[in-house]
Amino acid sequence: SQTIHQWPATLVQPVGSPLSLECTVEGTSNPNLYWYRQAAGRGLQLLFYSVGIGQISSEVPQNLSASRPQDRQFILSSKKLLLSDSGFYLCAWSRGTASTDTQYFGPGTRLTVL
Amino acid sequence: AQSVTQPDIHITVSEGASLELRCNYSYGATPYLFWYVQSPGQGLQLLLKYFSGDTLVQGIKGFEAEFKRSQSSFNLRKPSVHWSDAAEYFCAVAPTNAGKSTFGDGTTLTVKP
Repeated sequence: SQTIHQWPATLVQPVGSPLSLECTVEGTSNPNLYWYRQAAGRGLQLLFYSVGIGQISSEVPQNLSASRPQDRQFILSSKKLLLSDSGFYLCAWSRGTASTDTQYFGPGTRLTVL
Repeated sequence: AQSVTQPDIHITVSEGASLELRCNYSYGATPYLFWYVQSPGQGLQLLLKYFSGDTLVQGIKGFEAEFKRSQSSFNLRKPSVHWSDAAEYFCAVAPTNAGKSTFGDGTTLTVKP
């Protein structure tokens, strides 16, 4: 069966510090991968998605970047965090890019920027 | 572009009572529709989805949703709520041409004993 992992589970970082969040998927190959951010009391905002190694699409211009160094690894990064980067970050995967493809979500990372 | 509105930010129901969570969407045609549940501090889990066909969709955990084209709605229902149903619920819409899903802002469900 497929599983998706995210770490760390929680993170507290000072403003201006770098960020690296990792997401890995097991039990499938060539998944489509997604990074979402969920601000307090809001829905999910799609940040990045990837259909393959090295292929990243950005949905929203911002202080963050994403990379996919391996087939089942998706990394969210920042060189200098802002207060507004605080939130709950969710990684998800799907088998295809069709709208009918179910997205499976990881447990999330709670990021607090102070 | 599609959009989703969940009019109720917070709903409180008593355990054993029925539940209906509202979802309205905006899209040029019939989209694909989803309901997800998020327990505190957790990721999202798919409850059910509608692509086509029967407008009443059955999901996991005893939930169902009804697609009403005339009202652009996809409301989630459960006949008898359990305390474990307390969570945040998200409605999502996706276009039929392989675009990305758009999520509503969510409805938080509190269940009173």
